[in-house]
Amino acid sequence: DSGVTQTPKHLITATGQRVTLRCSPRSGDLSVYWYQQSLDQGLQFLIQYYNGEERAKGNILERFSAQQFPDLHSELNLSSLELGDSALYFCASSASGTSWETQYFGPGTRLLVL
Amino acid sequence: AQSVTQLGSHVSVSEGALVLLRCNYSSSVPPYLFWYVQYPNQGLQLLLKYTTGATLVKGINGFEAEFKKSETSFHLTKPSAHMSDAAEYFCAVGYTGFQKLVFGTGTRLLVSP
Repeated sequence: DSGVTQTPKHLITATGQRVTLRCSPRSGDLSVYWYQQSLDQGLQFLIQYYNGEERAKGNILERFSAQQFPDLHSELNLSSLELGDSALYFCASSASGTSWETQYFGPGTRLLVL
Repeated sequence: AQSVTQLGSHVSVSEGALVLLRCNYSSSVPPYLFWYVQYPNQGLQLLLKYTTGATLVKGINGFEAEFKKSETSFHLTKPSAHMSDAAEYFCAVGYTGFQKLVFGTGTRLLVSP
């Protein structure tokens, strides 16, 4: 158990809909990362937050947005969903968000868009 | 641009055989290098990492990796494979001042009895 929790574990929705994925980092970690894992794209970095502020952005679509709240939990919002958004979405956390730190991954949210 | 190449999307070994998973990176500055493992239906878990110092790094479950700057490589090895090692393995690289990690495409390790 990494100490990172993600809800829900599974999500099935329809094209055009909007969903919110939630992540709680390990106790004491200030930085949260979001990743998308799919068969065709592999593991893709989406976005990083540190103590409530966006720190780095990766291949995140404009239809996707995220935030980190004062209690340090984070949410990833996916809107106008398309079939191609079906994937496993991981959240990871680290103590201070520096590039040499270990990232601790949650179990993921599996999203299926029908 | 930073990148990581993992040679072989699938590697098959017999139980008890040597495991060798290859990782090469591109870099113009000193890298931080990581190996993560993903078991079925789970998130990624750190196996080992190199930041500075000794170039031979030992990790969990008997795995080790050696940072070779001249070859820009960080190959993962284990002397004797166990059935429980069957999983997907990801190499990743990070750099000072560059916040995100860049992950390779992963290598699925298959272990046969």
